Amino acid sequence: KAGVTQTPRYLIKTRGQQVTLSCSPISGHRSVSWYQQTPGQGLQFLFEYFSETQRNKGNFPGRFSGRQFSNSRSEMNVSTLELGDSALYLCASSLSTGTNQPQHFGDGTRLSIL
Amino acid sequence: AQTVTQSQPEMSVQEAETVTLSCTYDTSESDYYLFWYKQPPSRQMILVIRQEAYKQQNATENRFSVNFQKAAKSFSLKISDSQLGDAAMYFCAYRVNSNYQLIWGAGTKLIIKP
Repeated sequence: KAGVTQTPRYLIKTRGQQVTLSCSPISGHRSVSWYQQTPGQGLQFLFEYFSETQRNKGNFPGRFSGRQFSNSRSEMNVSTLELGDSALYLCASSLSTGTNQPQHFGDGTRLSIL
Repeated sequence: AQTVTQSQPEMSVQEAETVTLSCTYDTSESDYYLFWYKQPPSRQMILVIRQEAYKQQNATENRFSVNFQKAAKSFSLKISDSQLGDAAMYFCAYRVNSNYQLIWGAGTKLIIKP
C-alpha cells in the first residue's frame, strides 16, 4: 500500500507570492492533517480535514488555508508569503478522525522563502 | 495550557545498550492518547509507540517500551538493544478528545555510537 505522498518535495518562493502544497493520503484514509515544522517553533498543527470538512484549525493567520477533495486528497495554500513561512510542511493521514487514530506522515515539502 | 516538555535536547548511547528518553506533558483532560514518533534524517515522521491514557499497562513494541505515569504526567520511552538505525529525532506528543490536534514536544536527538 502506498504511503502518504506530498508534492513537491522542495519549493523556493519569494516574499509576497503564494504557494499550494499537495498531499495524497494512504488509500482508504479519510482524515488529513497538516503541520508546520521549524527549528524555532518546532511542530505546530495547522488544520485537519475529514470528509472534505475542516474539523480543527491551529493558531495560524488566515493566509494559511486548506481544502480536501472528495477523493481525500488535500491541498494547503499560503498566500502573501513571508520569510517566516520557511519551513518543512508535513501532511499526515489517518483512517478517520479521533484521538486514538495513529497518523501516518509523508516526507514533507520543504518550503524556502527568499 | 497544553504543553509537552522533552528536557533532553540530545542523548547518546552505545550500540546494544539501553536508553530512556523523558517526556512530561500538561493537560487538564482525562481522556487522551500519547505518542512517540521518530524522525530520521530522511525527515519522514514514523510512529514508534502509542499509549491510551486510561490504560495502566505500559505499551510495548518489540525493543520499544514506555513508562507511563499518569499522575505525574510523565511518558518516557525506553529503547533496548539500541541499533544504529535508531538514530533520529524523537518526538513525544499527545492528542485529546476535545481537540484532535497533536501537541508536540521539541524533540530529543538520539545518537547511537558504534
